[in-house]
Amino acid sequence: GESVGLHLPTLSVQEGDNSIINCAYSNSASDYFIWYKQESGKGPQFIIDIRSNMDKRQGQRVTVLLNKTVKHLSLQIAATQPGDSAVYFCAEGIQGAQKLVFGQGTRLTINP
Amino acid sequence: DAGITQSPRHKVTETGTPVTLRCHQTENHRYMYWYRQDPGHGLRLIHYSYGVKDTDKGEVSDGYSVSRSKTEDFLLTLESATSSQTSVYFCAISEGPPPGELFFGEGSRLTVL
Repeated sequence: GESVGLHLPTLSVQEGDNSIINCAYSNSASDYFIWYKQESGKGPQFIIDIRSNMDKRQGQRVTVLLNKTVKHLSLQIAATQPGDSAVYFCAEGIQGAQKLVFGQGTRLTINP
Repeated sequence: DAGITQSPRHKVTETGTPVTLRCHQTENHRYMYWYRQDPGHGLRLIHYSYGVKDTDKGEVSDGYSVSRSKTEDFLLTLESATSSQTSVYFCAISEGPPPGELFFGEGSRLTVL
């Protein structure tokens, strides 16, 4: 399969616990943010996005929090399952700027 | 899953040879992208297309060219492959202009010896 990275930050949690993955973004002008999940050997898969006029958005078992004051984004995963094991990327963009800038990613490992 | 097919999925080639990677979509999305993924760098945009015959450079476009002669196909060409182009290449599509939700293919691993 396709490897993602050799020295990614890693988060290990127990199955059933909640996970919080953090991301610091770089551009204070960014107004769109998105989280992706990448399983081993696969392409990134959309999880959830949020625009800068919001500070929280919820999906199925996931919540994204945005703190524009400190340029921080977090992804909360409730009741983690073995299938949540993956690398999670945040990305930032600016409306009209025609691009997304991706972070390095965090590897989430779920312990049984 | 979005209908995106990348080919080949794996390729080993030698320095100086030309290589073409193909991305085929069945979603009729207007926007298509080529990214490369390397340890320590994350996903970086090589080129993107906003319509047939309409393409533009991304942040790491040197050494790469692209073509889009029809909506469903976006080709990435390395005219003369170098070892620094060893990477995993991902094609992505979106219905609307970036930034927005991208749908990614499964990736193509290229090794240049």
